[in-house]
Amino acid sequence: RKEVEQDPGPFNVPEGATVAFNCTYSNSASQSFFWYRQDCRKEPKLLMSVYSSGNEDGRFTAQLNRASQYISLLIRDSKLSDSATYLCVVWNNNDMRFGAGTRLTVKP
Amino acid sequence: NAGVTQTPKFQVLKTGQSMTLQCAQDMNHEYMSWYRQDPGMGLRLIHYSVGAGITDQGEVPNGYNVSRSTTEDFPLRLLSAAPSQTSVYFCASSPPGSYGYTFGSGTRLTVV
Repeated sequence: RKEVEQDPGPFNVPEGATVAFNCTYSNSASQSFFWYRQDCRKEPKLLMSVYSSGNEDGRFTAQLNRASQYISLLIRDSKLSDSATYLCVVWNNNDMRFGAGTRLTVKP
Repeated sequence: NAGVTQTPKFQVLKTGQSMTLQCAQDMNHEYMSWYRQDPGMGLRLIHYSVGAGITDQGEVPNGYNVSRSTTEDFPLRLLSAAPSQTSVYFCASSPPGSYGYTFGSGTRLTVV
């Protein structure tokens, strides 16, 4: 079983749609959580950290449920520029584990 | 401020050849790491370093060596390349703690 599991997608949504990605992790000792974005043939870039209380950054909302070992990312009012692969990332003691990513395509 | 710089961007090696992938950062980050990314596998940690003179193995260290003689540089060495090492390699750095990583633009390596 992978340490970080994500639905690979692809998710194909129209502009303006709301889309949610989920992620589960297996190591209950994990300390920090992130969502990264990766464009095709580019390096991953930090999208946002994920806090237990939930956090929002513009159209993006991240949630963490430690009891269920579950992380989510919600994107509201999708833009064409949101098309990318979204990586769920879990950090524990200098070991950053990445999910394989969920691919999102936003269409006009 | 260049961030994390990786060279080369592309490389083709023959089986058995050796090479060094270079990584340099100018942000004075203590933590640096190397990942490989394969389709459907996500990024997997090869080696990491928490500071100059300190390195440790990650999830998939076999076939790779690293050293960290300065804060800025963290080269990855392939001693005898194998086709299974065909991948995209990313170097990353971060300040102390878990603030998220800055990645280099990657090296696409093909071993034939």
